[in-house]
Amino acid sequence: AQSVTQLGSHVSVSEGALVLLRCNYSSSVPPYLFWYVQYPNQGLQLLLKYTTGATLVKGINGFEAEFKKSETSFHLTKPSAHMSDAAEYFCAVSEGNGGYNKLIFGAGTRLAVHP
Amino acid sequence: EAGVAQSPRYKIIEKRQSVAFWCNPISGHATLYWYQQILGQGPKLLIQFQNNGVVDDSQLPKDRFSAERLKGVDSTLKIQPAKLEDSAVYLCASQTDGGEQYFGPGTRLTVT
Repeated sequence: AQSVTQLGSHVSVSEGALVLLRCNYSSSVPPYLFWYVQYPNQGLQLLLKYTTGATLVKGINGFEAEFKKSETSFHLTKPSAHMSDAAEYFCAVSEGNGGYNKLIFGAGTRLAVHP
Repeated sequence: EAGVAQSPRYKIIEKRQSVAFWCNPISGHATLYWYQQILGQGPKLLIQFQNNGVVDDSQLPKDRFSAERLKGVDSTLKIQPAKLEDSAVYLCASQTDGGEQYFGPGTRLTVT
């Protein structure tokens, strides 16, 4: 069965600093991987996804993530944090025999951005 | 394009009472999911529908939870009777064939 581990339940960065949120997954089949962001009292918004092809994927709001099969990782980065990036971030893997299916989520990482 | 709609947004009930949540997916999306998100955790799947049929309800506590998707469009999730541990955000998501999931704003349930 697939699973997702997010290292660090809370991450704090200064405005303008690099953002790095870590995600490791386990999957017996080529995974579809996702990062979602959740602002307070809102649903989940898709930031980016990896399905096949290029391992470096770019998403909205300047975020990107790199799929590294050898490390079973899909870390999320942003070169320069903005105050508006403060939110909770969830990494997810699509369960099943590849493709889009129900999602298995990590526990989430809360990102704080301070001036 | 309208997003996934959910109501109510907030609900407070006492334990042993019943409650129902409603979801209206994006038009044309055949697959619908209900997830439960307990505070401090990631969402966990409760049930998956394909049109009006259940694909996966293996993690639905069937002694108290039920869900239906009549006519393959709107869906309702019901809890009866509620327990304290059911306090959570209930998220509905819809998906096209071969596409990613889109989430609604969720219903925050507090059981006292």
